[in-house]
Amino acid sequence: GAGVSQSPSNKVTEKGKDVELRCDPISGHTALYWYRQSLGQGLEFLIYFQGNSAPDKSGLPSDRFSAERTGGSVSTLTIQRTQQEDSAVYLCASSLGHHGGSLDEQFFGPGTRLTVL
Amino acid sequence: GDSVTQMEGPVTLSEEAFLTINCTYTATGYPSLFWYVQYPGEGLQLLLKATKADDKGSNKGFEATYRKETTSFHLEKGSVQVSDSAVYFCALSETGGFKTIFGAGTRLFVKA
Repeated sequence: GAGVSQSPSNKVTEKGKDVELRCDPISGHTALYWYRQSLGQGLEFLIYFQGNSAPDKSGLPSDRFSAERTGGSVSTLTIQRTQQEDSAVYLCASSLGHHGGSLDEQFFGPGTRLTVL
Repeated sequence: GDSVTQMEGPVTLSEEAFLTINCTYTATGYPSLFWYVQYPGEGLQLLLKATKADDKGSNKGFEATYRKETTSFHLEKGSVQVSDSAVYFCALSETGGFKTIFGAGTRLFVKA
């Protein structure tokens, strides 16, 4: 079956512009995660959805970052007024969501590489 | 807060060599521990996991044992292959939680 897909695969934008990153999780997966991977760094947790709800948004780096999920499926991560330090690979993952993060295997998408000039 | 520390790479080995990638963690509760792998050009995928102390996770010849006394989850493989060249990430997740904390990753190169 289809895995997690993300679009676009690459995005180059100018400082100050808004960008939207999209994630299509595996069908039937109720949990969805966004991470950021900066060059040479590990994965930084951004936000988690269970269904359409995000119980914890504390990982979002600033109020320029927001995310939503509709219909328990597609999620969009929006970055407003992008800055150069936002340049990174943004990864999305989904899991069944039955047991919580401790037991669920997360399936990752290929990521969106964002470059802010 | 919770954190994961893993050895810096890159690690370069010859084929059939023994591999160890060290991983230690700090956590307030009783986390589950994971190793994820990212092969060149591919997304991250789960390699193995352990959910309680003394559990051993294993897959594809890789093993890691959850050591609560040393707060470690070192990844080992007895004989690496060129196809094992990838970036390996150690991670933890609190029991019943959803937030997964990843280490910085260790790049492994295996030479023929």
